[in-house]
Amino acid sequence: GAVVSQHPSRVICKSGTSVKIECRSLDFQATTMFWYRQFPKQSLMLMATSNEGSKATYEQGVEKDKFLINHASLTLSTLTVTSAHPEDSSFYICSARGISYNSPLHFGNGTRLTVT
Amino acid sequence: AQSVAQPEDQVKVAEGNPLTVKCTYSVSGNPYLFWYVQYPNRGLQFLLKYITGDNLVKGSYGFEAEFNKSQTSFHLKKPSALVSDSALYFCAVRVLLTGGGNKLTFGTGTQLKVEL
Repeated sequence: GAVVSQHPSRVICKSGTSVKIECRSLDFQATTMFWYRQFPKQSLMLMATSNEGSKATYEQGVEKDKFLINHASLTLSTLTVTSAHPEDSSFYICSARGISYNSPLHFGNGTRLTVT
Repeated sequence: AQSVAQPEDQVKVAEGNPLTVKCTYSVSGNPYLFWYVQYPNRGLQFLLKYITGDNLVKGSYGFEAEFNKSQTSFHLKKPSALVSDSALYFCAVRVLLTGGGNKLTFGTGTQLKVEL
């Protein structure tokens, strides 16, 4: 089945630094990728939707200058958490959808970010 | 707004017994409904979806879900639970976006615990 690879699976960084998370679709072309944030024992909160070659669409309340999303190719999207703070510590999950409008979503395994 | 609700934070069943995880939806028009499962520190895995057709949808790992239009429900079921089914389950609905495209909106999740 379709595979989405998310890297790193776990990262610890110091407050004030930036962290980049990669999301790759390994065996299909992902025209649309989604980035979610999940707090402990809570649902997934959609942060932004990115379409290949265009700017990401951010959900209300998500700071686009803090969470930079790049979707430069059909197989790669990146999320950069800039000037990270402890409150940015969370589980970040990406998902990708193929070219067809009805293509299912495939999820990465998530990235556990801890900001110290 | 298009949404799904999962009224139970947690469901406990004994191994071998049938299980039901509840989901109700609020959607204008025809709903596109999904169930996903999440194991600890992992992304989401697709279980099944309802778009149209038979109200009983069969999915992965022996799970099925019944679409009930009169009750606006899409409960997840399995005839005989396994300890390995213990995980976090999310119901989701596809939401159409203005300008094209779509996204998934997730319920709050239900923690399933299957005990020996």
